[in-house]
Amino acid sequence: KNEVEQSPQNLTAQEGEFITINCSYSVGISALHWLQQHPGGGIVSLFMLSSGKKKHGRLIATINIQEKHSSLHITASHPRDSAVYICAARMYSGGGADGLTFGKGTHLIIQP
Amino acid sequence: GAGVSQSPSNKVTEKGKDVELRCDPISGHTALYWYRQRLGQGLEFLIYFQGNSAPDKSGLPSDRFSAERTGESVSTLTIQRTQQEDSAVYLCASSLAWQMNTEAFFGQGTRLTVV
Repeated sequence: KNEVEQSPQNLTAQEGEFITINCSYSVGISALHWLQQHPGGGIVSLFMLSSGKKKHGRLIATINIQEKHSSLHITASHPRDSAVYICAARMYSGGGADGLTFGKGTHLIIQP
Repeated sequence: GAGVSQSPSNKVTEKGKDVELRCDPISGHTALYWYRQRLGQGLEFLIYFQGNSAPDKSGLPSDRFSAERTGESVSTLTIQRTQQEDSAVYLCASSLAWQMNTEAFFGQGTRLTVV
């Protein structure tokens, strides 16, 4: 069982819609990353956060440590936001030798 | 350059041949990671280097896989006697350190196709 769960797995929305992608994890973490992967495989690190909220342009990431939950929001979504969004948690134990456990990703499609 | 650089970006090789993938991390980043992503699957951790410490190879899928890193610079991932199941995108990432909560920066990946 993956210790990092993302939802939804697939999301199709219309341009301009407010998008929310959720990530939950089962054990204590020291940090959580949100990554963006475009077709072709390249990955961009969007946010790394361990508490509270971060904002960059139209992207907002929040994390609730007590609830073991993080969300990635996209405001005024645009077709160029279409990508796979991956949540990765740096866990205190387990999760692979580098302590980074990846969710399976959310495939987002924004239609014009 | 400013980011993590990987080469080649695409590689097609015949089954049984050896391949070498290269990663140039961001200057000053002591931690370097290799990941693999097979088509339609999530990221799979392979190996990481932290400074001059011995690398943790526990994620390497078989003894055909090996990786080296020269000091805190370039790393190469070598796959010997490639098999079709090795076809994947191989991603490299670097960060300032592993133990600290530092952000990892990813390269664009090398798409390996074994035919």
